[in-house]
Amino acid sequence: TQLLEQSPQFLSIQEGENLTVYCNSSSVFSSLQWYRQEPGEGPVLLVTVVTGGEVKKLKRLTFQFGDARKDSSLHITAAQPGDTGLYLCAGAGGSQGNLIFGKGTKLSVKP
Amino acid sequence: GAVVSQHPSRVICKSGTSVKIECRSLDFQATTMFWYRQFPKQSLMLMATSNEGSKATYEQGVEKDKFLINHASLTLSTLTVTSAHPEDSSFYICSASKQATYEQYFGPGTRLTVT
Repeated sequence: TQLLEQSPQFLSIQEGENLTVYCNSSSVFSSLQWYRQEPGEGPVLLVTVVTGGEVKKLKRLTFQFGDARKDSSLHITAAQPGDTGLYLCAGAGGSQGNLIFGKGTKLSVKP
Repeated sequence: GAVVSQHPSRVICKSGTSVKIECRSLDFQATTMFWYRQFPKQSLMLMATSNEGSKATYEQGVEKDKFLINHASLTLSTLTVTSAHPEDSSFYICSASKQATYEQYFGPGTRLTVT
């Protein structure tokens, strides 16, 4: 059974601070997606990483896929209150295209 | 774009009745659609995977006779919660994926409350 361990589960920081969220697994994934979800809404796709060692940047967000494609990280620089939400990593591994989701990181950025 | 809509966004029903939730991919054809359930402050729990024109594949522990899934076209899937009970109250989210990609595009979710 493929599992994605996501940490930390909760994160409360002040505006302007940096943070990193981690997703780790003992399994190899062909790709990994990061989503952000706000309360009462569906998750929104932020990025997909495919190649081992790949780094993608989305404004203040930096996503990295591990060399062995077993882990990934999301780094946010100078967090803002608008970054508040639930961040989910999801690995592609199912035979029907289904994703394996981490348990999520609930981020709260206080002004 | 990749927009997925869900209807209704909120529904309140009485115990014992059935509720149908629609999921539509608005600007692309979805070869596969997924149905999730999400409890407060928790991650998504996959309920079932459906491909157009074929029977849905249900995850372990999900009753297929209670949660009926129909995927009649490449742009529409429906989830019917039959004989709903208060414990079925939850946030139901669908997603759709394009052919040959693992990326899923999520609908805005449906908040179901069973009284």
